[in-house]
Amino acid sequence: ETGVTQTPRHLVMGMTNKKSLKCEQHLGHNAMYWYKQSAKKPLELMFVYNFKEQTENNSVPSRFSPECPNSSHLFLHLHTLQPEDSALYLCASRRGGNEKLFFGSGTQLSVL
Amino acid sequence: DQQVKQNSPSLSVQEGRISILNCDYTNSMFDYFLWYKKYPAEGPTFLISISSIKDKNEDGRFTVFLNKSAKHLSLHIVPSQPGDSAVYFCAASVGGETSGSRLTFGEGTQLTVNP
Repeated sequence: ETGVTQTPRHLVMGMTNKKSLKCEQHLGHNAMYWYKQSAKKPLELMFVYNFKEQTENNSVPSRFSPECPNSSHLFLHLHTLQPEDSALYLCASRRGGNEKLFFGSGTQLSVL
Repeated sequence: DQQVKQNSPSLSVQEGRISILNCDYTNSMFDYFLWYKKYPAEGPTFLISISSIKDKNEDGRFTVFLNKSAKHLSLHIVPSQPGDSAVYFCAASVGGETSGSRLTFGEGTQLTVNP
């Protein structure tokens, strides 16, 4: 248990669906992240939030919409995704400038 | 341009032997390096790190070596145990341990330790 909880663990959606991924951290961290992991590829940074403010958007398509209502919660809203968006989506958090990221277990997303 | 590369997608070793996982980087500004371990259906967990002011860091069975001139680091696990079977990710950042800068990850290496 890393202190970062992601739900759901698995998600199957059609290309016209709208769904949301949820992440919650119980570590008192100030920074939260969304990463995408596709098979045999490096983890790709998608979004960074520091103290609830988005500080980085790594050229992510607008069909992915993040939301960070407070320092403990992070959402990723999904809308009209493509099959190539199927991947493992990982949430992570970090305390201030400390480099060690703590990851959730991820949501395995399949877009049909 | 992939700045952190793990050229071996998989590695298989016998229990009790040494596992050596390799990582190469191209950005000479990287000065802090980490290894993460990932089991199936779980997120990556931090394993060990090293700052560029060192060339070796050891934690129990795990040792990370850094060769700055070659822009190469390696993770040694000895003795290897079946429970070490996982995907290992190398990551690097600029600005040291407390800079808060982004981590750049490699593609991962699947380690299998056979009983």
